Amino acid sequence: SAVISQKPSRDICQRGTSLTIQCQVDSQVTMMFWYRQQPGQSLTLIATANQGSEATYESGFVIDKFPISRPNLTFSTLTVSNMSPEDSSIYLCSVEDHGMGGYTFGSGTRLTVV
Amino acid sequence: GENVEQHPSTLSVQEGDSAVIKCTYSDSASNYFPWYKQELGKGPQLIIDIRSNVGEKKDQRIAVTLNKTAKHFSLHITETQPEDSAVYFCAVLNPKTSYDKVIFGPGTSLSVIP
Repeated sequence: SAVISQKPSRDICQRGTSLTIQCQVDSQVTMMFWYRQQPGQSLTLIATANQGSEATYESGFVIDKFPISRPNLTFSTLTVSNMSPEDSSIYLCSVEDHGMGGYTFGSGTRLTVV
Repeated sequence: GENVEQHPSTLSVQEGDSAVIKCTYSDSASNYFPWYKQELGKGPQLIIDIRSNVGEKKDQRIAVTLNKTAKHFSLHITETQPEDSAVYFCAVLNPKTSYDKVIFGPGTSLSVIP
């Protein structure tokens, strides 16, 4: 199955700053997905990143707040911009794992905004 | 859009007993139904999945049943062990025009009491 490395694993940031989260996959994948998991909650899809095109954002999420890069088939970044305490969450990337037949998740980035 | 509900939200069982978690969905076009286990501080891990052309699937102590007509599917864990304690999420894959979208249920916190 695909192995996903996500960095950083956790961070504490000042409000008003931005944080870029990296997601590296050990195999080439077409789609990469970014999720947010607020404390004690389920996973909510932020956007889908397809290499070579603009990311597709879900309702309630905008590119200015969550810009995404997808420079190649194994890597993506999600930036959380102009952070506020409400952005404190776990951010996870995911890929469709053709070897396993499902969707694999990274271990997540636990973000705390103070 | 697709709506996924999950019950119960919390479940406590004695070690060795069985646990059942049920999910319902709204869109009959959904065709893939995975279950994820999330332990504290980790990303969700796929434990079993089922596709819409199958009614039941079993993997050792874990099984999933699907009722497409009623639009619900259930996770069954037999002979529960303390290490089964975690949050379990059902999910539904809803095919869209440009990409498949995985929508998660709200989660069930399972506690297995030794």
